[in-house]
Amino acid sequence: GQQLNQSPQSMFIQEGEDVSMNCTSSSIFNTWLWYKQDPGEGPVLLIALYKAGELTSNGRLTAQFGITRKDSFLNISASIPSDVGIYFCAGSGSARQLTFGSGTQLTVLP
Amino acid sequence: DTEVTQTPKHLVMGMTNKKSLKCEQHMGHRAMYWYKQKAKKPPELMFVYSYEKLSINESVPSRFSPECPNSSLLNLHLHALQPEDSALYLCASSQVAGRGTDTQYFGPGTRLTVL
Repeated sequence: GQQLNQSPQSMFIQEGEDVSMNCTSSSIFNTWLWYKQDPGEGPVLLIALYKAGELTSNGRLTAQFGITRKDSFLNISASIPSDVGIYFCAGSGSARQLTFGSGTQLTVLP
Repeated sequence: DTEVTQTPKHLVMGMTNKKSLKCEQHMGHRAMYWYKQKAKKPPELMFVYSYEKLSINESVPSRFSPECPNSSLLNLHLHALQPEDSALYLCASSQVAGRGTDTQYFGPGTRLTVL
């Protein structure tokens, strides 16, 4: 089946720093999604990408759909305390079901 | 509006109890999903409904019984659960046609504890 490798597994950064995380797949995806999840809550959709090469921003967040369709990255600029949480990438391929990455736990230090 | 609602927020039940989880969306989505999520792990797909019909059952034990009464509602009936079934249960929905059919919107989840 499809597998997603998400890295890093965790990050500790200072407030104000930029953050980058990425996901790679063993197969081609048609859609890449990035979610943020706070403890005890459901995942919240941050950015959706539907086309290879697509670069999309949502405030301080920027994500790209890799040209090979096998990878995607998410950047967060000028991190703030409320950015703390677990970030999941998810991809959808021919099966049209989501495959999730293992998550990146982000901690922002004051 | 991209809201999916779930009730209850928290549920504690014994292994002999019968309970139900409820999910509702008013985005006009015709695909709805149940996921199970353990702490610090990604969601695991349990069931998919498309046009109110069960289309995918990921080999889920029969003590979990889904139901889709109409296009806006999704239920998960629970009976004779085991302690290892304790988890966050997530509902999601998506379109079934056009761009964005893979884009799922999640509810806040129900935190289930089985004693």
